Amino acid sequence: SAVISQKPSRDICQRGTSLTIQCQVDSQVTMMFWYRQQPGQSLTLIATANQGSEATYESGFVIDKFPISRPNLTFSTLTVSNMSPEDSSIYLCSVTQGFEGYTFGSGTRLTVV
Amino acid sequence: QKEVEQNSGPLSVPEGAIASLNCTYSDRGSQSFFWYRQYSGKSPELIMSIYSNGDKEDGRFTAQLNKASQYVSLLIRDSQPSDSATYLCAVNARGSTLGRLYFGRGTQLTVWP
Repeated sequence: SAVISQKPSRDICQRGTSLTIQCQVDSQVTMMFWYRQQPGQSLTLIATANQGSEATYESGFVIDKFPISRPNLTFSTLTVSNMSPEDSSIYLCSVTQGFEGYTFGSGTRLTVV
Repeated sequence: QKEVEQNSGPLSVPEGAIASLNCTYSDRGSQSFFWYRQYSGKSPELIMSIYSNGDKEDGRFTAQLNKASQYVSLLIRDSQPSDSATYLCAVNARGSTLGRLYFGRGTQLTVWP
């Protein structure tokens, strides 16, 4: 299965600032998914990132707040913009490769103060 | 609205016992089903996938799928303290390996020595 390198692993940020999270995959994948996991909660899909096209956002998530780039088939970034304490969460990228299932990055633990 | 429901936890079993985790889903067109294990502070790890009705066994883990009842379960035999984690049920409703996953809220399992 694919191996994903996600960074940073954690960060503490001031409110009003932005953080960009990177995911690098060791093989080419068509779709990459960005999830958020708030404390004690399950995973919520933020958006699906396709190479060469605009990301598709889920209800409640907007591009101005969570801009995504997907410049090639092995890399994607998610930016959390104009952060507030409510954005404190774990952010995860995920890819799928056929019937091997879905693989997650190691996650980024974000704390906004 | 595609929903994935898991039996409420937390679930606590003694070492050596069978742990039974249950999940129901609302979209009758769902085709692919996954169980993830998530240790505290870590990202989800795929432990089982199942696509056809019936049982699928992998070591101490058995996944059971009943599409007519829209029900999928995970049995862990000879439970070990190292199995203590949150177990997430996930469903891919598109019937394609490239689609997004819908996650349940998770069941926290504790195996006590």
